[in-house]
Amino acid sequence: AQTVTQSQPEMSVQEAETVTLSCTYDTSESDYYLFWYKQPPSRQMILVIRQEAYKQQNATENRFSVNFQKAAKSFSLKISDSQLGDAAMYFCAANTGGFKTIFGAGTRLFVKA
Amino acid sequence: DVKVTQSSRYLVKRTGEKVFLECVQDMDHENMFWYRQDPGLGLRLIYFSYDVKMKEKGDIPEGYSVSREKKERFSLILESASTNQTSMYLCASSLGAGSHPETLFFGSGTQLSVL
Repeated sequence: AQTVTQSQPEMSVQEAETVTLSCTYDTSESDYYLFWYKQPPSRQMILVIRQEAYKQQNATENRFSVNFQKAAKSFSLKISDSQLGDAAMYFCAANTGGFKTIFGAGTRLFVKA
Repeated sequence: DVKVTQSSRYLVKRTGEKVFLECVQDMDHENMFWYRQDPGLGLRLIYFSYDVKMKEKGDIPEGYSVSREKKERFSLILESASTNQTSMYLCASSLGAGSHPETLFFGSGTQLSVL
């Protein structure tokens, strides 16, 4: 069965600093997609970044980047130069090609001014 | 701009009531989904639909049903609400059943309380 684990229920970071959110997953498939979604206080979840498992290169989107370790089944999110607007719930998710995207339990990120 | 709209932000219902949660997307997406979000459990898929009048069970369909009569609208129905269905309900859509998973676009959620 496919599972996604986020072991950090909460994290905090000082404004302008860097923070890394952890995620591990388990799947027997060789091809799959990984995602990080952000849920701000407004509750509307938005995509932060996505990674195709067959791609060696780590995905980046501006201040957001991932560290994808396929052998270790690890997919961490790094947020650089943290801003107050980054405060949110972050969900790691995985999809092996069907309609079902499996989500982790989430990590709540606090940003201190 | 992509938009998924859920009809209610907050809803309070009594045990045993029939509850309708409505979701509308304006992006002409093929796929629509209903998730339930609970603290410590993340999001769990209740039902999804890949076409009008088509529906498939997700991981936790018990106690729920869905309806998709029009492409843009996907309704979640709680036939007889129970207190353990108190939760945040998120609707999502995605472009189409392509060869690879697609980004999900979410609504703002409905916080349902069943008393």
